[in-house]
Amino acid sequence: AQTVTQSQPEMSVQEAETVTLSCTYDTSESDYYLFWYKQPPSRQMILVIRQEAYKQQNATENRFSVNFQKAAKSFSLKISDSQLGDAAMYFCAYRSALMNRDDKIIFGKGTRLHILP
Amino acid sequence: DGGITQSPKYLFRKEGQNVTLSCEQNLNHDAMYWYRQDPGQGLRLIYYSQIVNDFQKGDIAEGYSVSREKKESFPLTVTSAQKNPTAFYLCASTPSSAYNEQFFGPGTRLTVL
Repeated sequence: AQTVTQSQPEMSVQEAETVTLSCTYDTSESDYYLFWYKQPPSRQMILVIRQEAYKQQNATENRFSVNFQKAAKSFSLKISDSQLGDAAMYFCAYRSALMNRDDKIIFGKGTRLHILP
Repeated sequence: DGGITQSPKYLFRKEGQNVTLSCEQNLNHDAMYWYRQDPGQGLRLIYYSQIVNDFQKGDIAEGYSVSREKKESFPLTVTSAQKNPTAFYLCASTPSSAYNEQFFGPGTRLTVL
């Protein structure tokens, strides 16, 4: 069974600085998708960024980028120029590319990010 | 606007009562999911459904029940057998392509008094 591990329950970063959130996963599959979700105080889950495992190039979305290391099964999120609105819980998630009856997304336990003004 | 609606946003019930949380989506997604989230915690999967009239237990299904009679709807019943029902409940759906992420509703905060 696949697992997703976020080893940092909480992190803090100064406004305008850069922070990296860690995520590791375990799978025997070769084709899958990885996601980072943000859950702000409103508790609405928002997709931040997505990475296809078959792509070597790291995904980027404005100030958000990932460092995807497939062999190491690592998928970290880098937030550049941190803003107060980035304060949230961040979840790393895994989804198999195999579509079957048991399809579900596996979430990590989350990292709470605090932005210090 | 396409999306997922959950109602109500806040729900209060007395201990021992069953309560049903609503989840409706107009995204034409096949799969739907229910998660429970406790304060400061991650998401725990309760039930999920890939197609109408079929659903599977997640990691914490005990004390919960679901139905999937329509593609658009996936209500969750929290029964009196659920020992600690006070929590935040999130409903989600996904299209059939694995490329796509899960789309989430705004959640329902259930408090059992």
